[in-house]
Amino acid sequence: DQQVKQNSPSLSVQEGRISILNCDYTNSMFDYFLWYKKYPAEGPTFLISISSIKDKNEDGRFTVFLNKSAKHLSLHIVPSQPGDSAVYFCAASARGTYKYIFGTGTRLKVLA
Amino acid sequence: EAGVVQSPRYKIIEKKQPVAFWCNPISGHNTLYWYRQNLGQGPELLIRYENEEAVDDSQLPKDRFSAERLKGVDSTLKIQPAELGDSAVYLCASFWRSDEQFFGPGTRLTVL
Repeated sequence: DQQVKQNSPSLSVQEGRISILNCDYTNSMFDYFLWYKKYPAEGPTFLISISSIKDKNEDGRFTVFLNKSAKHLSLHIVPSQPGDSAVYFCAASARGTYKYIFGTGTRLKVLA
Repeated sequence: EAGVVQSPRYKIIEKKQPVAFWCNPISGHNTLYWYRQNLGQGPELLIRYENEEAVDDSQLPKDRFSAERLKGVDSTLKIQPAELGDSAVYLCASFWRSDEQFFGPGTRLTVL
């Protein structure tokens, strides 16, 4: 039972354009969501998070949107840069459990 | 500040052999996680420690996997005996107070 789903295994975007990565979840107890970026042969690194009391969180070129009614979140990267090419994982948690469920990842390729 | 350290980075063993992975979390981080990441999947929790106590080991296959964190600092994950299906990347992560986990680079295990 996949509680966190990233249905697009890969995405290619031109440099300078917007990248939109999507994530769906099924467990209504989840109230905290995170995005991680992973380069080959490295561990995931934290990118941005959002609590369920918000519907948007911004950090520089990265914005995460949360639609609680649809159980959907998305990560927007504007403008996309070649260095953004990596695998992006979405993760969800019920606050206080300290247990994180990860999606299967989306491989982003930003073309120069 | 040093990051999460894991060793070895790569390990190749024959099936039925034992194997051990070591993790040294960021200094002062009380919470330590071990994850397994299969190819094309996201990290899946194996065990979580708060200091030296294993507070969530519900997904650890206890017939062959064991873990310890004797002094509440570094940790060892062991598999005995290894099976072909254990081939994966084993990730260690730590955090303290925030919800941001810091991941190590992982150990890539290949079981032949």
